[in-house]
Amino acid sequence: GIQVEQSPPDLILQEGANSTLRCNFSDSVNNLQWFHQNPWGQLINLFYIPSGTKQNGRLSATTVATERYSLLYISSSQTTDSGVYFCAVEPWETSYDKVIFGPGTSLSVIP
Amino acid sequence: DVKVTQSSRYLVKRTGEKVFLECVQDMDHENMFWYRQDPGLGLRLIYFSYDVKMKEKGDIPEGYSVSREKKERFSLILESASTNQTSMYLCASSSQLYGYTFGSGTRLTVV
Repeated sequence: GIQVEQSPPDLILQEGANSTLRCNFSDSVNNLQWFHQNPWGQLINLFYIPSGTKQNGRLSATTVATERYSLLYISSSQTTDSGVYFCAVEPWETSYDKVIFGPGTSLSVIP
Repeated sequence: DVKVTQSSRYLVKRTGEKVFLECVQDMDHENMFWYRQDPGLGLRLIYFSYDVKMKEKGDIPEGYSVSREKKERFSLILESASTNQTSMYLCASSSQLYGYTFGSGTRLTVV
């Protein structure tokens, strides 16, 4: 089946710094989604981005489906950005919107 | 905004009890999912449902069952709770337009 990798596994940032998180996948996908899991455990939908670039405030995401990767950019990081970031891909031949989650990137933003 | 509501944030149950975890979504989504999340193991799919009264096993269905009597409600049932079912349980619904939306999660402890 499809493999999903995320890098880096862990990241520590000073408040105000910028960062790029990467998601690689091994096969064609219908869709890709980025989530932020906050310290209380809730998974927040950040971007639903099968291809192209989207921006939402300090966050933006780019998916290059032909090269099988997606990037999540965080600019001017804040302590509230801390948590785990997951990408999830919907494989090309899946049914019922089933997705495969990556292992996540754990981000700590320190004051 | 799509809202997915899980009935409890924290739950403590005794070994052998029958446990019901409830999930309700308000956007008329057909697909709903139950995951559990454990440190080092990521998100694992327990069961999903693609229509009322329709269900499919995920990757780790053993010890669980589900019920979907109405489109908006998807219940996870632990027939006889065991300590190895102590975990974070996450419910989601999905659409082709917006992808997955998760509830806030239920931290279940079985003692």
